Amino acid sequence: DVKVTQSSRYLVKRTGEKVFLECVQDMDHENMFWYRQDPGLGLRLIYFSYDVKMKEKGDIPEGYSVSREKKERFSLILESASTNQTSMYLCASSRRTTGEETQYFGPGTRLLVL
Amino acid sequence: AQSVTQLGSHVSVSEGALVLLRCNYSSSVPPYLFWYVQYPNQGLQLLLKYTSAATLVKGINGFEAEFKKSETSFHLTKPSAHMSDAAEYFCALGGAAGNKLTFGGGTRVLVKP
Repeated sequence: DVKVTQSSRYLVKRTGEKVFLECVQDMDHENMFWYRQDPGLGLRLIYFSYDVKMKEKGDIPEGYSVSREKKERFSLILESASTNQTSMYLCASSRRTTGEETQYFGPGTRLLVL
Repeated sequence: AQSVTQLGSHVSVSEGALVLLRCNYSSSVPPYLFWYVQYPNQGLQLLLKYTSAATLVKGINGFEAEFKKSETSFHLTKPSAHMSDAAEYFCALGGAAGNKLTFGGGTRVLVKP
């Protein structure tokens, strides 16, 4: 079974703190993604990576950065957390090939910024 | 530009009744279409996907969806709802570069006994 794990299920941080969310996949997938999920808005893509050290902006990259130093690990960084970044964050991975590839999701990290 | 619209953010059905969740898409390239389900406090898992092989796609847990190009739709159905179907369902559109997906806003299904 494909497994995507996220470092925390719940996080509470203060405004201005630097926040790291980590994601690890065990299927040797080339692609990895970070989404945020908000009620009524579905999932919105923050960043994705198609190879080690490669990254591309998604639809809402402002206020976020990412790091991919190893193929299996993709980190999302909030440089200075703000209350409007309170959300559910989901990581996913897939094979690179074509657009028909299934994305496999982690369980999510619910982040509260006070 | 790619977009996905799910009609109805909440749907309530009786146990044993038909489940119908609507999804319409807009895409400038041949689409790949997905339905994912999210159970409470979990990530998303794939229900089914359309990849141009067949317009009627069968998925897990008795769900199926039909791709209709003329209507730009990919509606999800299940003939008889079960209590375990209570979850949030997301329609997603692929086909863009980098295997990116565009998600609809989601439909939360409540199943009444």
